[in-house]
Amino acid sequence: ILNVEQSPQSLHVQEGDSTNFTCSFPSSNFYALHWYRWETAKSPEALFVMTLNGDEKKKGRISATLNTKEGYSYLYIKGSQPEDSATYLCAFNNNAGNMLTFGGGTRLMVKP
Amino acid sequence: DSGVTQTPKHLITATGQRVTLRCSPRSGDLSVYWYQQSLDQGLQFLIQYYNGEERAKGNILERFSAQQFPDLHSELNLSSLELGDSALYFCASGAGTSGGPTYEQYFGPGTRLTVT
Repeated sequence: ILNVEQSPQSLHVQEGDSTNFTCSFPSSNFYALHWYRWETAKSPEALFVMTLNGDEKKKGRISATLNTKEGYSYLYIKGSQPEDSATYLCAFNNNAGNMLTFGGGTRLMVKP
Repeated sequence: DSGVTQTPKHLITATGQRVTLRCSPRSGDLSVYWYQQSLDQGLQFLIQYYNGEERAKGNILERFSAQQFPDLHSELNLSSLELGDSALYFCASGAGTSGGPTYEQYFGPGTRLTVT
């Protein structure tokens, strides 16, 4: 059983704050790490797929880093806005197959 | 809008019944993934099809089965339904030519199944 942990479980920040959260995954047999953004009553939306140790990806105010040797990825949001409020999911794949194992998510709430 | 469609949006049925959920992937995507989101659990991978063939299997119950048709749409069949099968079922489609996990997955709107 693969363990993918996300912390914190939930986070309340003020508009304009920058924030970050963590995804931990098994460091052996790493293949890919996905980040998704999931708004209530909508479907998960792909943010990043990361495959290389040291990878950094950026999309607007959101960026992510990857450390495959120690088994973690950080997602950063710069200058949070109320529309960033969502659950952020990470999903891990090892090289044993195509399935993604999802973490429990970090629920972000940005207050105006 | 991800380009992935799922029908129906909602389904209410009784225990012991059988239902079929349908998914059409984004144009050009050959992979279809099925996931289950229960109240007390995160997204759980069920099964993946790539170009008509089963490619990966997660913790899918024996009462559940899926297939992918030549036009690439997929159906998830759930039979002998139990109360615990009530969940949100997502389908996702994947880009890429090999159906592998290094490509983003695009999720449909989901089918909410309620078993009474």
